[in-house]
Amino acid sequence: SQKIEQNSEALNIQEGKTATLTCNYTNYSPAYLQWYRQDPGRGPVFLLLIRENEKEKRKERLKVTFDTTLKQSLFHITASQPADSATYLCALGTGTASKLTFGTGTRLQVTL
Amino acid sequence: DTGVSQDPRHKITKRGQNVTFRCDPISEHNRLYWYRQTLGQGPEFLTYFQNEAQLEKSRLLSDRFSAERPKGSFSTLEIQRTEQGDSAMYLCASSPHNSKSNYGYTFGSGTRLTVV
Repeated sequence: SQKIEQNSEALNIQEGKTATLTCNYTNYSPAYLQWYRQDPGRGPVFLLLIRENEKEKRKERLKVTFDTTLKQSLFHITASQPADSATYLCALGTGTASKLTFGTGTRLQVTL
Repeated sequence: DTGVSQDPRHKITKRGQNVTFRCDPISEHNRLYWYRQTLGQGPEFLTYFQNEAQLEKSRLLSDRFSAERPKGSFSTLEIQRTEQGDSAMYLCASSPHNSKSNYGYTFGSGTRLTVV
């Protein structure tokens, strides 16, 4: 069956360090993968999109990699700040007209 | 345009009652999606529209759920004969149509439904 897996345990890191979150999938052939941030009681906020033919994408302190052989995406936040504390969701899309399928999310806690 | 608006923000209803939620997407977005999210889980797809056409509906969605998007603008999601298992956050999102899917979704803040 199709599965999207993100670390269910919270990731705790110190301010200034790089946070790395993982998204693994099985039985999907995604055309693209997206990352979202979600704060408690709010809807997800779009961060980055990476396509199947792209290896890496960057936006300010964020970096996403996409390895279709390993069926994995890594999401990095460099120089992390307490304001980066949130749940981060990965989502897969399989075509231009299809809906996104979301993982369960990983909670990131950045401490001083 | 201030983004995607959902109304109400919170709804408490008794089991067996019908509820209706409204979503106003970003005006230039012709795609509109409904998702449901429970605690500790990611958003789960319910249905989506392109303009006024409902193009896909989740197989997990029972017949008690119905959605409309008259005239391709706002959308409503109705749940009939609510059950306690329907308690969740109902999220609406919109996106522009783009053949290369360059855009992510813009989500509303959601409607939190509690069935008692």
